[in-house]
Amino acid sequence: NAGVTQTPKFRVLKTGQSMTLLCAQDMNHEYMYWYRQDPGMGLRLIHYSVGEGTTAKGEVPDGYNVSRLKKQNFLLGLESAAPSQTSVYFCASSPPGQDYEQYFGPGTRLTVT
Amino acid sequence: GQSLEQPSEVTAVEGAIVQINCTYQTSGFYGLSWYQQHDGGAPTFLSYNALDGLEETGRFSSFLSRSDSYGYLLLQELQMKDSASYFCAQVGGGNKLTFGTGTQLKVEL
Repeated sequence: NAGVTQTPKFRVLKTGQSMTLLCAQDMNHEYMYWYRQDPGMGLRLIHYSVGEGTTAKGEVPDGYNVSRLKKQNFLLGLESAAPSQTSVYFCASSPPGQDYEQYFGPGTRLTVT
Repeated sequence: GQSLEQPSEVTAVEGAIVQINCTYQTSGFYGLSWYQQHDGGAPTFLSYNALDGLEETGRFSSFLSRSDSYGYLLLQELQMKDSASYFCAQVGGGNKLTFGTGTQLKVEL
């Protein structure tokens, strides 16, 4: 099992450009999450999904959109990137009822110039 | 929103015992998780407490006191590889975790 995978690993964008980050998991988990991690601020939840076709806002959703068309995939979109979105993005998944134990992907390091 | 407080840095020597504390807000509290993150790596799950008391997993233990809104992670027989950041995370309603800002543990010889 690959667990949780994320593509790409690194990306540099110019302000105003758009991109999609892909998260895939092969553990048949119902729940999936997108976080961003900035220095000294821990992990902050952007959006999450409790099942295929459902999404919900987290703590810092502005400037991001998500889609969960398939159970194993969770996409994070930036429509118009801003320097404030420079961060490391982590995807995670968990089985239902076990949101306390999340499995994280390796992260995507995004720089917006 | 919910906020959790943990020390920003802790330093200890190899072979010692170290305790990393975490205080949380009581609203919507279901339990407390702990995660480890090495530099450049992904967070990995260590432990979870839903009830008061101590949970032991090898060299790592986690403790929760609901009456004090407080928990801690205890690391015994410290090794150099334990140098990492440690996060407490509050399990609240809505299938979500809220993470603390993390404690950087430095293990010295």
